[in-house]
Amino acid sequence: EDQVTQSPEALRLQEGESSSLNCSYTVSGLRGLFWYRQDPGKGPEFLFTLYSAGEEKEKERLKATLTKKESFLHITAPKPEDSATYLCAVQAMVRGGQNFVFGPGTRLSVLP
Amino acid sequence: TAGITQAPTSQILAAGRSMTLRCTQDMRHNAMYWYRQDLGLGLRLIHYSNTAGTTGKGEVPDGYSVSRANTDDFPLTLASAVPSQTSVYFCASSPRRHGDTQYFGPGTRLTVL
Repeated sequence: EDQVTQSPEALRLQEGESSSLNCSYTVSGLRGLFWYRQDPGKGPEFLFTLYSAGEEKEKERLKATLTKKESFLHITAPKPEDSATYLCAVQAMVRGGQNFVFGPGTRLSVLP
Repeated sequence: TAGITQAPTSQILAAGRSMTLRCTQDMRHNAMYWYRQDLGLGLRLIHYSNTAGTTGKGEVPDGYSVSRANTDDFPLTLASAVPSQTSVYFCASSPRRHGDTQYFGPGTRLTVL
């Protein structure tokens, strides 16, 4: 069964305090791994897509990396506006269709 | 750019009633998706459509139906609502026919009493 777990469930950082969020997955035939940001009361907003182990992508203070079993979202010198829930998702190959599986998210709070 | 619009924003529905959640995209994306988001469970795929005229079942399709008559619209219908369908529903679209990066709408908050 395809599965995605994220840790920690919640994270509180001081402004400027760098950290990493973890996404672990088990999937039969990974087609892609995705990171999204979700603000309260809004739909998820796309951040990154990673396709193969060793791949890295960066955007402002965020950097996403991928291994064969997990992905990390590194946040460097975060600001209060980075506070949000960060969602990880995988797209799996399934016979006759497709399957997107989302993790429960990590709720990040950055304090000024 | 509108992107994806969903209607209504929120709705309270009596159990046993039917309801259609509307989703429209103006990006000419091939694929469209419906998810529900429940506390602690994350987003779960209900139905999807790779292209106009085709639909497929996701992880939790029971109690829901969809249609894709054209590229832009992807309505989700609850034929006879039950309280366990209380959730926030998100529509998403993707440029590629077999998915990839998805772009989400603002969501519909549905309460079934």
